[in-house]
Amino acid sequence: AQSVTQLDSQVPVFEEAPVELRCNYSSSVSVYLFWYVQYPNQGLQLLLKYLSGSTLVKGINGFEAEFNKSQTSFHLRKPSVHISDTAEYFCAVSDNGANNLFFGTGTRLTVIP
Amino acid sequence: KAGVTQTPRYLIKTRGQQVTLSCSPISGHRSVSWYQQTPGQGLQFLFEYFSETQRNKGNFPGRFSGRQFSNSRSEMNVSTLELGDSALYLCASSWTSGGSYNEQFFGPGTRLTVL
Repeated sequence: AQSVTQLDSQVPVFEEAPVELRCNYSSSVSVYLFWYVQYPNQGLQLLLKYLSGSTLVKGINGFEAEFNKSQTSFHLRKPSVHISDTAEYFCAVSDNGANNLFFGTGTRLTVIP
Repeated sequence: KAGVTQTPRYLIKTRGQQVTLSCSPISGHRSVSWYQQTPGQGLQFLFEYFSETQRNKGNFPGRFSGRQFSNSRSEMNVSTLELGDSALYLCASSWTSGGSYNEQFFGPGTRLTVL
């Protein structure tokens, strides 16, 4: 069965500092990997996705993630965060692109001025 | 292009009642998936409908049901509400039902409170 582990439930970081949000997954089949962001009282917005090909994926708002098959990881990074990046971030996996996504428990990123 | 809309945005019910939530997908999208989000269990997949047929189902009791209409709008129904059903219910729409990846777009959610 698929599962997604987000190792940090909360990550505080100072404005303009770099950040990495960690995500590990387990699956026995070919997977697609995603990072979503959720702002208060809103739905989920797709930040980036890995389907195949290059293991370094660039997304919106300056975020990027690296797929590491041997370590079954898909960590999200941003070199310099802004106050507006304060939100909850979810890592998700899908088997072969199926629409039923399996989500991690989320990481709350708080950017400190 | 209008996004995914969900109605109502907020709902308060009491235990034992039933509730119906509605989701209107992006125009042209034929797949609608529903998710439950709670502080304890996180985001969990409920079910997916494509062309009026249920394609996938998560691990939820039979009190949770859904349907999709010919215009792709979807409703989910929860009968005999329990306190634990209090959650944010999100729907997501996409062009097709999986396969080569097609992005899912999420609505703002319906926050259900069961008293």
